[in-house]
Amino acid sequence: GAGVSQTPSNKVTEKGKYVELRCDPISGHTALYWYRQSLGQGPEFLIYFQGTGAADDSGLPNDRFFAVRPEGSVSTLKIQRTERGDSAVYLCASSLKGADEAFFGQGTRLTVV
Amino acid sequence: RKEVEQDPGPFNVPEGATVAFNCTYSNSASQSFFWYRQDCRKEPKLLMSVYSSGNEDGRFTAQLNRASQYISLLIRDSKLSDSATYLCVVNLALNYGGSQGNLIFGKGTKLSVKP
Repeated sequence: GAGVSQTPSNKVTEKGKYVELRCDPISGHTALYWYRQSLGQGPEFLIYFQGTGAADDSGLPNDRFFAVRPEGSVSTLKIQRTERGDSAVYLCASSLKGADEAFFGQGTRLTVV
Repeated sequence: RKEVEQDPGPFNVPEGATVAFNCTYSNSASQSFFWYRQDCRKEPKLLMSVYSSGNEDGRFTAQLNRASQYISLLIRDSKLSDSATYLCVVNLALNYGGSQGNLIFGKGTKLSVKP
């Protein structure tokens, strides 16, 4: 079956622009996670959805970052007024329910120039 | 204190060696524990779940010590193909329950197996 799909795979944007990153989880998975990973670091937690609601958004670094999952399936991570420090690989994962095996998408590599 | 801490690495070992990775976690209510493997420029993939009784999968053995809040991964008879970064993952139990919550990753330990 289809795995977790993330689009775009690469995104280059100018400083100050707005970007949206999309995640299409495995069908039927209720839990969805967003992480950010910089070179040489482990995935840094951003936000966790259980169904349509954000169960924990404590990892979002500031109010420029926002994520939605309006129908409990596809999720969009939105970054306003991008900064060079936002450059990283943004990983999405889903699991059947919370805290069990999570399957990752291949990530979106965001570069802010 | 970081929520999940791992050996800093890197570990450079010859083929056939046995190597052990350690991980500690800070949330005593955590219920789920995993080891993930991440190859260079790839997404993390589950290597194995970690159970209270310990579990083994071929050359890989995982142990959990709840009292010490400590997880380990042992790799026996290392292969060149084991070269990767190994990530310790713990669920962060939420205040209203310990069985569901987000998954927190350690920074990872890089393993390089040489011929």
